[in-house]
Order: sequence, then structure tokens, then C-alpha cells
Amino acid sequence: QSVLTQPPSASGTPGQRVTISCSGRSSNIGSHTVNWYQQLPGTAPKLLIYSTYQRPSGVPDRFSGSKSGTSASLAITGLQSEDEALYFCATRDDSLTGPVFGTGTKVTV
Amino acid sequence: QVQLQQWGEGQLRPSETLSLTCAVYGGFFTGYQWSWVRQTPDKGMEWIGEISHEGNTNYNPFLKSRLTMSVDPSKNQFSLQLTSVTAADTAVYYCARGHMGDFWSQGTRVTVSS
Repeated sequence: QSVLTQPPSASGTPGQRVTISCSGRSSNIGSHTVNWYQQLPGTAPKLLIYSTYQRPSGVPDRFSGSKSGTSASLAITGLQSEDEALYFCATRDDSLTGPVFGTGTKVTV
Repeated sequence: QVQLQQWGEGQLRPSETLSLTCAVYGGFFTGYQWSWVRQTPDKGMEWIGEISHEGNTNYNPFLKSRLTMSVDPSKNQFSLQLTSVTAADTAVYYCARGHMGDFWSQGTRVTVSS
């Protein structure tokens, strides 16, 4: 039921840059801000980016968000082993009453 | 730091009712929407619904006929009831603060099986 499409996996070596895409439509990403979440195995999702670009307190500036048209992206620079996790995007959708989520991308370091 | 802690039955038989409760520690309870989201390997994250501290609800239309949410502001708690569960309701259920969730619970794995 995921409305937003993400690549199932991404990988990199320590220190590299990894970018994860989140593709949607004009009714969701095209019209609203995007959140990104990090979910380590067996743990609760953690808000990584909100309002497309903003980082909550405590999130390293290695993580950054961007958006263009109906797609959003999460970039991780200076990749570290502890970044190995599932990452998913979320946003509002004009045609639905609740938020919509991405399919999730598993990042391997 | 805001923390959400949930509890409820994790093993159900088809046609039974799923009941989960989420308690909020730290931060304000009033002024926020409180949400339920579930996650499966096949479908990913699915929004279930949300309730305000005043008890105003907004449900996923696909689940609305089986869904009831309630809130107890005096205890900083909110609850979910999903009736007539089937195997399709097997998932990890999370409670979260806000419409999309800025703080999340650890989740409860719910399995529906005969």
C-alpha cells in the first residue's frame, strides 16, 4: 500500500556518499514537505529529516534532505557503519486523509 | 525527551479484537495528534489513524469500519481497538506523536493466526 517509491537497497563503503530517492506524485511530494526516518533493526523509527530539509536536534549534519518536483532525496555523506538501517520517506497526500509512506530502502555499509 | 510506551496482546485468533494502549512520557500531551501506524514486510508502513487530545479522530478509510480510537488525557494515554482481525492484520504496530510521527514507540508485533 506504499504510495511513495524508493529503491529497495543502497550500499556504500565507509566515508562514501549515498543518496536515496523517494518518488511520488503531484498530490503528495509535489505539494507537501517530506520527512525521512531511520529504522535500525528491531527498533523504533527515528525522525531524521522533517519539512524536507530540517534536521531535529542531535541528528548529524551528514544527513541532508532535498526535493525537486515530485521526488525527494536523502543524502548521507561520510557513510559510517552505524548508518546501516532501513530508511523511509513520508508525506501528506491531498487525495487521502492520512500520511503516505515510502517503500523503504535498506542501506548497507 | 518524549517517550512512547505501548502494550497489548500480541497473539490473536481470526475474528478477535486487537487492543493496544500507548502512554506518553515527557513533553506535552495536549496540542498534538496521536497516531497509530503498522508495518509489514510486504506493504511497508501503513497509517491506521490518529486522535487528538480532545478525542477527535481521523481514520484510514480502509480500516474505518473496524476501528475505534480513544484517549485519556488524564493519564497521557491513547488506545486502539481493531475488531474482526484477520491474517492481513498481522504486523508490527506503532504509536507515534503527530500526523506523520516525530517520536515513535518501540512497536508491538501482532500475529493473527488460528
